[in-house]
Order: sequence, then C-alpha cells, then structure tokens
Amino acid sequence: GQNIDQPTEMTATEGAIVQINCTYQTSGFNGLFWYQQHAGEAPTFLSYNVLDGLEEKGRFSSFLSRSKGYSYLLLKELQMKDSASYLCAVRPPGSGNTGKLIFGQGTTLQVKP
Amino acid sequence: KAGVTQTPRYLIKTRGQQVTLSCSPISGHRSVSWYQQTPGQGLQFLFEYFSETQRNKGNFPGRFSGRQFSNSRSEMNVSTLELGDSALYLCASKGEETQYFGPGTRLLVL
Repeated sequence: GQNIDQPTEMTATEGAIVQINCTYQTSGFNGLFWYQQHAGEAPTFLSYNVLDGLEEKGRFSSFLSRSKGYSYLLLKELQMKDSASYLCAVRPPGSGNTGKLIFGQGTTLQVKP
Repeated sequence: KAGVTQTPRYLIKTRGQQVTLSCSPISGHRSVSWYQQTPGQGLQFLFEYFSETQRNKGNFPGRFSGRQFSNSRSEMNVSTLELGDSALYLCASKGEETQYFGPGTRLLVL
C-alpha cells in the first residue's frame, strides 16, 4: 500500500510562514493533492502537483520532488483563519485519472496571535 | 455552478440497521467517490463510480455498497450497521483532475 507521512501537529504565529511536509512511497505515483479541512467541515482543494517543482497560488504554494517522494505545502502571511487540518493525498499507481486518493492522517495547524 | 450536495447531513441509527446516503455531484461531473472519515483512521476511500459503473474499490467489507444513476447522482448503502461505522461519510465529485468534496453525512450508530 501507499504510506503517506505528515507531522501530526504544528503551531505558528500570525503573519509568519509555515511549511508542512509530506512524504510518500515512490513505488508509484500518479499525482499529489493538498486539501484544507476546518473542524466540522468538508475538505477543500488547495493544490495539485504531478510534475516536479513549485506551484504557487496566492499565499499558498506546493512543491513536489517525485524522485524523493516528498512534497510540502507552504503557507505565507499566516492568518488566524488558516488554523485547520491540512491533508496530503496521493493518487496511487494503476488508478489512472480516477477519483481514488490515498490520504495521510493530516497535519493540524494552529495559528496563534 | 452548484457544489456537491449530500443528504441527509446527520443520521442516527442503531446496530443492525441499514442506511442509505445520497450524493449529487457538480453538474457535468461523471465521477463520484465515497470516503469514510474517522478520528482514528482518517480519510479512507470506499469506492468510485463513473458512468454508472464502479471503477475503483477500497478495502471495506461487502456491507458497504453503492450505485450511480444515469444523472450521475450516487447512493451508498451500509447494511447491518456496527458501532465502528460511526463516521463522517464524504462524497467527492471529480472533474478533469480535481475532486471537490460535499459537506458530508455524519452517521452515528448506537
């Protein structure tokens, strides 16, 4: 199976920058996603990486290195509303362009004033 | 476009009962996936339907089943409910690359 590892919890200060790491097995790869989930709500899409490099989208950026099985989500100019769980998910090999995703346990980010 | 809708939003059942959950995807999306989310196991893939056919399946027992209709709406069914089935059930609608989640159905089994 696909093991996806993320830190369980992180704390950062409002206005700062935080990097949330995600590692996965490189036995196969078909795309990596980041989702944000506020408590009691559904996950919302943040980013999708299938090629190596950095994808920037406003205050959020996502980086991928396929050879290292490594991704990170970078959040800049942190705001209190960024306090949420951040989920890394991989589309496993052999699943083509399907809806099957394998999720990590998520990283709970707490932003403090 | 309207987002993904799920009904009901909350449900309480007792052990041994069965339950049916419904999901309406974003207009034009033909792929619907179902996930179970619990504090202990996180988000786990149940199955995916595309054009009324099951395209992928996760590692859940046969008590969990689903179907998709010609208008892409999907239902999932859980028979003989167990306490451990208490969870948030999320439906996801997929376009070209990205999946968009519905608000979920929170199921409590007593």
